[in-house]
Amino acid sequence: GQSLEQPSEVTAVEGAIVQINCTYQTSGFYGLSWYQQHDGGAPTFLSYNGLDGLEETGRFSSFLSRSDSYGYLLLQELQMKDSASYFCAVRSPNDYKLSFGAGTTVTVRA
Amino acid sequence: NAGVTQTPKFQVLKTGQSMTLQCAQDMNHNSMYWYRQDPGMGLRLIYYSASEGTTDKGEVPNGYNVSRLNKREFSLRLESAAPSQTSVYFCASSDLLAGVFDEQFFGPGTRLTVL
Repeated sequence: GQSLEQPSEVTAVEGAIVQINCTYQTSGFYGLSWYQQHDGGAPTFLSYNGLDGLEETGRFSSFLSRSDSYGYLLLQELQMKDSASYFCAVRSPNDYKLSFGAGTTVTVRA
Repeated sequence: NAGVTQTPKFQVLKTGQSMTLQCAQDMNHNSMYWYRQDPGMGLRLIYYSASEGTTDKGEVPNGYNVSRLNKREFSLRLESAAPSQTSVYFCASSDLLAGVFDEQFFGPGTRLTVL
């Protein structure tokens, strides 16, 4: 089975940097994904790490350490529109199921 | 392209009533999924269909049935609704056979209340 842990809430001011950590326990591993969900909306894909290291997409970066079963999502130059919930997710080999963490609610203050 | 569409957007049921949630995707994806989302619990997989003609249970299948009608459509049925099934239901699709990584595309959700 899969188990993912991430903080429930983070609050920061505009322009700041926020790091959302995700630790996982899985019976196999095919990579760590991150999804964003605005209040009342559908989750949308942000990033994926299949190998160790940092992936950068604009203001957002994601990191993975498979040896530590740990990853994080880094949000830089925070904007009000980044206020949302962020979910980490893992999929195991030979398994079509994606397991999600409970989500981290990021609140950006002016 | 509409992506993933779901109907209805909102629904109120009485305990014991039945209903079917509809989902369709126009991205020619092989795999489709039904999730439920409850406050503070993230997304939990109810059922999924890895490819047309197959369906499998996810994490929380009790009280639900699914039908993969064709490659585009995947429906979720509640035979006898219970208050515990009050939730937001999301359908998703992905092109799983394309490789190891599959980005899942979500529909707008159905907000279901069971009284």
